[in-house]
Amino acid sequence: SQQGEEDPQALSIQEGENATMNCSYKTSINNLQWYRQNSGRGLVHLILIRSNEREKHSGRLRVTLDTSKKSSSLLITASRAADTASYFCASLYNFNKFYFGSGTKLNVKP
Amino acid sequence: EAQVTQNPRYLITVTGKKLTVTCSQNMNHEYMSWYRQDPGLGLRQIYYSMNVEVTDKGDVPEGYKVSRKEKRNFPLILESPSPNQTSLYFCASRPGGNSNQPQHFGDGTRLSIL
Repeated sequence: SQQGEEDPQALSIQEGENATMNCSYKTSINNLQWYRQNSGRGLVHLILIRSNEREKHSGRLRVTLDTSKKSSSLLITASRAADTASYFCASLYNFNKFYFGSGTKLNVKP
Repeated sequence: EAQVTQNPRYLITVTGKKLTVTCSQNMNHEYMSWYRQDPGLGLRQIYYSMNVEVTDKGDVPEGYKVSRKEKRNFPLILESPSPNQTSLYFCASRPGGNSNQPQHFGDGTRLSIL
């Protein structure tokens, strides 16, 4: 069963604009992680937010977590063409099990 | 260089012919995990291992086996592959003592089962 949903499925923006992607999950989590994937390659970790945190920043990335709504969002500010990729949220529960969202495909036009 | 290495990267085979996909990490991580990725479904966890000789099922374990005899290796075994196991497979690892550590992923293995 798929425990994570992401929206939008696809997002196309101009360079310099901000990109926001949303993730929902269904069970209590230990943390929530965001990953990036380029064209079927391996996933690269972007940022991790613990269940007791509400917001976290890393460079141009900002992630929020609302455990009451079981949702998270990833904001990429001042996007670049090199940000074009698929983005996945992964919720960790029971300390060892991961559920991934279905992903958001981001296209940043130069 | 810290990495997770999967082999082979690509494989085309036929139904019923046993195959093994190897995964090796050089970071001394306790936790390792296998995922499959299918279009529109994201990644789904197949099996994971918390340490040597300790494995458990993920979300989609049917048709797969794993073993963890050494800390660095975590092979995925398909004893009798079927076409519905055609997919892109990823191995990942992370330190075991702290669940608030990210996973490191291999580059993937694309399996086609005819």
